[in-house]
Amino acid sequence: KAGVTQTPRYLIKTRGQQVTLSCSPISGHRSVSWYQQTPGQGLQFLFEYFSETQRNKGNFPGRFSGRQFSNSRSEMNVSTLELGDSALYLCASSLGTSADTQYFGPGTRLTVL
Amino acid sequence: QKEVEQNSGPLSVPEGAIASLNCTYSDRGSQSFFWYRQYSGKSPELIMFIYSNGDKEDGRFTAQLNKASQYVSLLIRDSQPSDSATYLCAVANFNKFYFGSGTKLNVKP
Repeated sequence: KAGVTQTPRYLIKTRGQQVTLSCSPISGHRSVSWYQQTPGQGLQFLFEYFSETQRNKGNFPGRFSGRQFSNSRSEMNVSTLELGDSALYLCASSLGTSADTQYFGPGTRLTVL
Repeated sequence: QKEVEQNSGPLSVPEGAIASLNCTYSDRGSQSFFWYRQYSGKSPELIMFIYSNGDKEDGRFTAQLNKASQYVSLLIRDSQPSDSATYLCAVANFNKFYFGSGTKLNVKP
């Protein structure tokens, strides 16, 4: 079974621009969660989507948004990029039932100049 | 108080020794407990999960869970330099997943 895929793997943007990241979950998984990881920081939870609905949300500003499509693929968007948004963005998929395992994609490395 | 607490390390052990990684959590209703390994610049990969009190062994890895003490640990036997990484403890309760900040492990040849 194919794993979680994320595109693009690397991205360079300038301040003020916006960016869209994509995540395709493992086949059969209905939940996709997004995390931000910066050097020296742990995984910061952004949001989780399940069956096209945002089910959980972390403490990030409204510049960070996401959506999920009927095939469970998910996108996250960051508008008006700031230097501090430079990070590794990870998505993780799971079946979406209670407390089951999350499997991570390889991540998208975003650099904001 | 953070939902999941881990000592950031680094924890240094000689090759062949047992590495012991610890994690505490705050939510008594937590149902599932996970250990992930993350190499520098890479994404976390699942090592093992545990649901019930006691020990669970998988090769050189043993996860230990004590729900009364709200404590999870990971033992790595016969540690190898390739085990050098950051180990993330994660705790799940219904649809919420909480990660610790990770413990950096260095295995010295």
